[in-house]
Amino acid sequence: DAEITQSPRHKITETGRQVTLACHQTWNHNNMFWYRQDLGHGLRLIHYSYGVQDTNKGEVSDGYSVSRSNTEDLPLTLESAASSQTSVYFCASSESASGGDQETQYFGPGTRLLVL
Amino acid sequence: KNQVEQSPQSLIILEGKNCTLQCNYTVSPFSNLRWYKQDTGRGPVSLTIMTFSENTKSNGRYTATLDADTKQSSLHITASQLSDSASYICVVSETDKLIFGTGTRLQVFP
Repeated sequence: DAEITQSPRHKITETGRQVTLACHQTWNHNNMFWYRQDLGHGLRLIHYSYGVQDTNKGEVSDGYSVSRSNTEDLPLTLESAASSQTSVYFCASSESASGGDQETQYFGPGTRLLVL
Repeated sequence: KNQVEQSPQSLIILEGKNCTLQCNYTVSPFSNLRWYKQDTGRGPVSLTIMTFSENTKSNGRYTATLDADTKQSSLHITASQLSDSASYICVVSETDKLIFGTGTRLQVFP
């Protein structure tokens, strides 16, 4: 069965370190997204990609970067981790662009990141 | 500012009872509205998607309604089960952008 996976599921790191969160999907979807989820906030878009070599900034992209070298993977990198980046991170994928009618985003299980 | 507000923030009901969750939005232009279910420790899972021309959509015991004129949606859960305990997130699509509500946390007790 097609799926979307994230690794690691839990991560503790120190302020200033570079961290990379992996996202892998076997849906063969062109579109992939990274969100963060914090108490008191809805999911917020960090970066997204509509295909290989395509990346775009979301509403909370500062301090994060992504690269898309193939269809299946969209790793998220925290260049220099900060305590404000402690959060739960979700990767998602979809067939069409996020605004498409009847289009569904499939979410991964999340990565819980703690920055000390 | 485009916003999605959900109420109540949390809700406790007994197994077998019905409940209704509310979502009000100020998103414009509006493309579609989705309801997601998020179990603790997991990613959200889509329940329903409705365009502005649809005013109701069902998925098993879940029925979503949409009033595009008043910019309100509701999610009705019938004959609740323990497995319905989760957060329910309303998501409104503004052309190519999704705006997420903060969710309603539902707890179903036996």
